[in-house]
This record gives sequence, structure tokens and C-alpha cells, in this order.
Amino acid sequence: DAGVIQSPRHEVTEMGQEVTLRCKPISGHNSLFWYRQTMMRGLELLIYFNNNVPIDDSGMPEDRFSAKMPNASFSTLKIQPSEPRDSAVYFCASSLSGSGDSPLHFGNGTRLTVT
Amino acid sequence: AQSVTQPDIHITVSEGASLELRCNYSYGATPYLFWYVQSPGQGLQLLLKYFSGDTLVQGIKGFEAEFKRSQSSFNLRKPSVHWSDAAEYFCSFGSGNTGKLIFGQGTTLQVKP
Repeated sequence: DAGVIQSPRHEVTEMGQEVTLRCKPISGHNSLFWYRQTMMRGLELLIYFNNNVPIDDSGMPEDRFSAKMPNASFSTLKIQPSEPRDSAVYFCASSLSGSGDSPLHFGNGTRLTVT
Repeated sequence: AQSVTQPDIHITVSEGASLELRCNYSYGATPYLFWYVQSPGQGLQLLLKYFSGDTLVQGIKGFEAEFKRSQSSFNLRKPSVHWSDAAEYFCSFGSGNTGKLIFGQGTTLQVKP
């Protein structure tokens, strides 16, 4: 089991550029989550999918952020245009069933720096 | 409102000493409770979980946690800390059928030789 795979590990971009973060969940997991981690705000849930359908996107900061899950093995988080305040570590996680008792399995994250 | 509080932002203990990390939650029913550990540059790894039954749960790496309903707490403990335990620890809870986990702010553990 390769675990949750995120790419890239690091991304440095200039303000105004489009950024796309990628995630491959664990095979067989039905739910996928995108979190953002910063020193100031800790871990914030941005959006999560169940069976490829977005269930709750209330954590997405603003319209500049969008997420898709075209199939069970791939998801993207896009920021367009990016701003310096988007700098953070973005984690993708997946779980088997998407219920409250199903632990999350995290990827190693993408560290995004927007200059 | 549903929330998780980890009162200690930073804790330092000597290697071999015992450890207790505090966690309190606010929720109207018994939640599903988890502790995760994050090493530098890594994602979060599950240490242990509590759903129901025995209130003392065992996890990986010699950690345990005790659920106390009367105190709305789920404190993490380890009898003897190793230098490799230095990391950030997160308490979290899930509720209902959403799969949505709420995380505390985390506690950074430093281990002195």
C-alpha cells in the first residue's frame, strides 16, 4: 500500500499565478479530504468528497479555490489566482468509509510558497 | 459549537520521563476520538482511536489514551518517552456520518536528552 500520494512536495510561485495540487488517495477509500495547515490557523478542512462527489466545501476560503475529483483515484486543488496569504502546507487525506469513525490517512503534504 | 482544545502548545520532557498531553472536546454526544502525530515534513499518522467500550485505549509506539466523559477529555499518555517521540500531536474528533474531523491546535513535544 503506497499510502496517499501528493504532488508536488514543494511549490514556489509568484502572486497571480495558477497553482494545481494533486492527490492520489489509497485505493479502495471512498472519501477524500483537503486540509490546509498554517501556524496561525492550524489544520483547516477545506473540502471533502465522498464517492467522488463534493459533500462539504464550506471551508474553501474563497472563489479562487476550487477542487475536483474526476475519478476515485485522483483529485486536484486549484488556486487561481494565487496570493501570498495562500502560503501553507496543503494535505490530502483519504478514509475508507467517510463516516465519523473512519480514521484519515494523510499524504506528506505540499508546501506552497506564494511570493 | 463543536471544538477541540489542546491547552498546551508546547511541552518539554526529559527522555525516560512520563508524558501526558491534554485534550478536551465540546460536543453534545460521545464523539469518535483520535490522536495523530506529525513528524517534521510529514503528514499526520494515526496513533490511536476511541469509539466506544473500554475507556482506556492502546495505540502504536507505546501510547495510550483515556476517555473521560465527565470531563470531556481524551488525554494521551506514555509511561517513558523516547527521543524519537519529539513531534507535534493532534487530538481530533469525528461526529455522525460525515467523516469530517475537527482538529485541535496541536501540542509540540520536545524531548531533552
